This record gives sequence, C-alpha cells and structure tokens, in this order.
Amino acid sequence: DAKTTQPNSMESNEEEPVHLPCNHSTISGTDYIHWYRQLPSQGPEYVIHGLTSNVNNRMASLAIAEDRKSSTLILHRATLRDAAVYYCILRDWGQAGTALIFGKGTTLSVSS
Amino acid sequence: DTGVSQDPRHKITKRGQNVTFRCDPISEHNRLYWYRQTLGQGPEFLTYFQNEAQLEKSRLLSDRFSAERPKGSFSTLEIQRTEQGDSAMYLCASSLVSGEETQYFGPGTRLLVL
Repeated sequence: DAKTTQPNSMESNEEEPVHLPCNHSTISGTDYIHWYRQLPSQGPEYVIHGLTSNVNNRMASLAIAEDRKSSTLILHRATLRDAAVYYCILRDWGQAGTALIFGKGTTLSVSS
Repeated sequence: DTGVSQDPRHKITKRGQNVTFRCDPISEHNRLYWYRQTLGQGPEFLTYFQNEAQLEKSRLLSDRFSAERPKGSFSTLEIQRTEQGDSAMYLCASSLVSGEETQYFGPGTRLLVL
C-alpha cells in the first residue's frame, strides 16, 4: 500500500467544521482512500472511503483532489465525541483480504 | 448486529505465563483479522483468516504466538511465555468478502505483562 502523510495533531472548537488533510502523492489508480478513526480506549471504526469523486455519509464528507494526490476528511460540525485519532489509509481494491496499514494518524482535539 | 466482541477486555499476567484471547466476529463475516497496537502507534497487522484458513501472517507473529479459527466462527490468539514487550492492545476485526471490504473492529484486549 502507498504511504500517506497526515499532520500529527489538530484542534477544533465544538460545532465548527473540521478539515483533516491527507497527502498521498504516490497513490495508484486502483487505490481507494479510506478513513478510520479511533476514539480513546476503543477499536478503530470506519468513517468513509472513496476512489475519485467526493463522498458524503452521515458521519463525514470526503473531498478528493482532482489528481488524487491528496484528500480531506470534513466533519461538518465537530462535537466533543469526535475527539479521536483519524487515520487515512490507501487500499488497493484488487487486494481485498489484506491488512489495513495504519500510520500514526492525526489526533483531533475538540474544545467546548 | 451485535458487533465484534473480544474477551477479556483487560489482562494482567506475569512474564513467562501463557495467555489466550477470544474474538467473536460479526456473524456471517468470513474474514477475521488480528492487530496489535502499542501506545502512540497505529494498529499493526498480525494475522488473518478467511473462514477457518489462516491465509497470512506478519513477521511480527513470532513462534510464541498462535491463532486459530475453528469452524470459521470465533478466533483465539494465544501468546506463550509472555514477555514484557508483548504488552499492548490486541485488536480483532472482521469483514465480508467484497471489493471494498470495510473492517469492523472490536474493543480490543489490553494486555499488561509484569
């Protein structure tokens, strides 16, 4: 799997939007961009994924650059419960059945 | 959907003892993964099953570690002759065979080796 680069930490205020960036300059044409997050003392949970087009679900939005070398996870209104480590992971769709490769992720702090 | 469950949630043991952890995946999920996570790091892959077959093992999985998934349902991870370096969170995840294959994680078992 190709590497991703994320900031170590970010801060936000409650009810404000949060944009979490991820760089993946060596992404291949068959790599999906996945985001997982891990709340304190819990296992990771799936957030969203996409290939080329922007994606929305009830948790977040994923904006993918036209050249696919970067992406941004958008939390529209941060809550205290969104404080977590966010991981951006590339996954080759042709490699189903292989492990997720986690980096250190971005630790998001949310203040009230 | 009861989610992935793991037991125990916490385990304290003395160096040299054997420990066994259990993972119950989401029913009908045929893939099951084990990961290990140390403080400040992301999870690292240990091994993976498709149904009852163990298809891949990481180099992190030393010969003191063994995993099973009899009958393709729950899985166990055993660590023999534990060492202090084995202290970590052990995470289990399950997924369905599909192109996208979202993995669903359990809450983990936190192991402390004294």
